Amino acid sequence: DTGVSQNPRHKITKRGQNVTFRCDPISEHNRLYWYRQTLGQGPEFLTYFQNEAQLEKSRLLSDRFSAERPKGSFSTLEIQRTEQGDSAMYLCASSFSTGTSGNNEQFFGPGTRLTVL
Amino acid sequence: GDSVTQMEGPVTLSEEAFLTINCTYTATGYPSLFWYVQYPGEGLQLLLKATKADDKGSNKGFEATYRKETTSFHLEKGSVQVSDSAVYFCALTPYSSASKIIFGSGTRLSIRP
Repeated sequence: DTGVSQNPRHKITKRGQNVTFRCDPISEHNRLYWYRQTLGQGPEFLTYFQNEAQLEKSRLLSDRFSAERPKGSFSTLEIQRTEQGDSAMYLCASSFSTGTSGNNEQFFGPGTRLTVL
Repeated sequence: GDSVTQMEGPVTLSEEAFLTINCTYTATGYPSLFWYVQYPGEGLQLLLKATKADDKGSNKGFEATYRKETTSFHLEKGSVQVSDSAVYFCALTPYSSASKIIFGSGTRLSIRP
């Protein structure tokens, strides 16, 4: 399977703990995106990378959230001092783009479901 | 800011019925428009897209036409099947930025045999 993969698929943690999620994009894709989806809502953009550079961050991405893509391949999203409001599905997507137009198709992974108790 | 508003669900139809899911958008410039689908237990998949006014996107019997004058991108299918049961998301990418997709809240569709 050469699609976007995410690990773990499910994570249950206690409030105040730190969690880290991993995303492996499609291998030739230079862009990687993180979204958050809460129950009954559409995904909301968090941040994106072009290669290893983090080019945009949403206001949703508080100081407790940090994302990295150190070698321009896989990415990690860390949430520090988790809160119950962080419970959501965290989605990763990737795309290949050489320009600035909005036409690049993003391919989504299955998501990591986080539950904060 | 840019946003997408879509018909609230859930929508329940009988097999072979005609489907319309309404979607309108607010955006500056000329966004690209998409419909994504999320089947039970699966990830989001692109269903169809349109990148400029009057373009029609189509796939798997679904169609949507980019209407700039009404800022709409309604999803239609002439005869739905049980296998079309899923959550459908209307979305846009701002013309000025390829950095993100802005999604609507989703419409859950259930098809009765």
